[in-house]
Amino acid sequence: EVQLVESGGDSVQPGGSLRLSCAASGFTFRSYWMSWVRQAPGKGLEWVARIKEDGSEKYYLDSVEGRFTISKDNAKNILYLYMNNLRGEDTALYYCARGGSWFIDWGQGAQVTVS
Amino acid sequence: ETVLMQSPGTLSLSPGERATLSCRASQNVRGGYLAWYQQKPGQPPRLLFYNTFSRATDTPDRFSGSGSGTDFTLTITRLEPEDFAVYYCQQYGGLPWTFGQGTKVDIK
Repeated sequence: EVQLVESGGDSVQPGGSLRLSCAASGFTFRSYWMSWVRQAPGKGLEWVARIKEDGSEKYYLDSVEGRFTISKDNAKNILYLYMNNLRGEDTALYYCARGGSWFIDWGQGAQVTVS
Repeated sequence: ETVLMQSPGTLSLSPGERATLSCRASQNVRGGYLAWYQQKPGQPPRLLFYNTFSRATDTPDRFSGSGSGTDFTLTITRLEPEDFAVYYCQQYGGLPWTFGQGTKVDIK
């Protein structure tokens, strides 16, 4: 069974930083693109970032480019999202997802609140 | 950026009825690279279809995906109680990947 478990969500002040983690199990992590997708309270879904199987390619939403960094540790089966210079509009539930184009499996999400 | 407009915003139907959800793109979705997701309150989204009509694991047969170019449709032939939820389309034909704003299917 595929499991994706996010952690690291918190409340921070504008300009602050956070690191989200996503522990993956039940599939061959090193063989998959992985992504982060967020959902602001009561709103729709927004793709944030994706990373290639081996970490050699990374793509970001324009509004987070230069502030967020996606990475994956294939030895530990963990996906990360480093978030710097956080803004109010970054407040959302952040989902880790398996896949780089369509999203096959999703975690339960980590709440990030910036205020 | 490809903007996806979903209609209607809310669809009020009874169990057993047919649901037709529309997703219209602001430009051609390259390769038909469009997915559909179902989301219930307090849960993450669940993949239903990718590449327009390729069924994800466990997607029931009463669901179907169709379309091309800029117009795509998710059809549920006979609504079951567990189908009442919010549905999102998503394109991955061009960066950034984008989602529609969602269609809520609720019980009439």
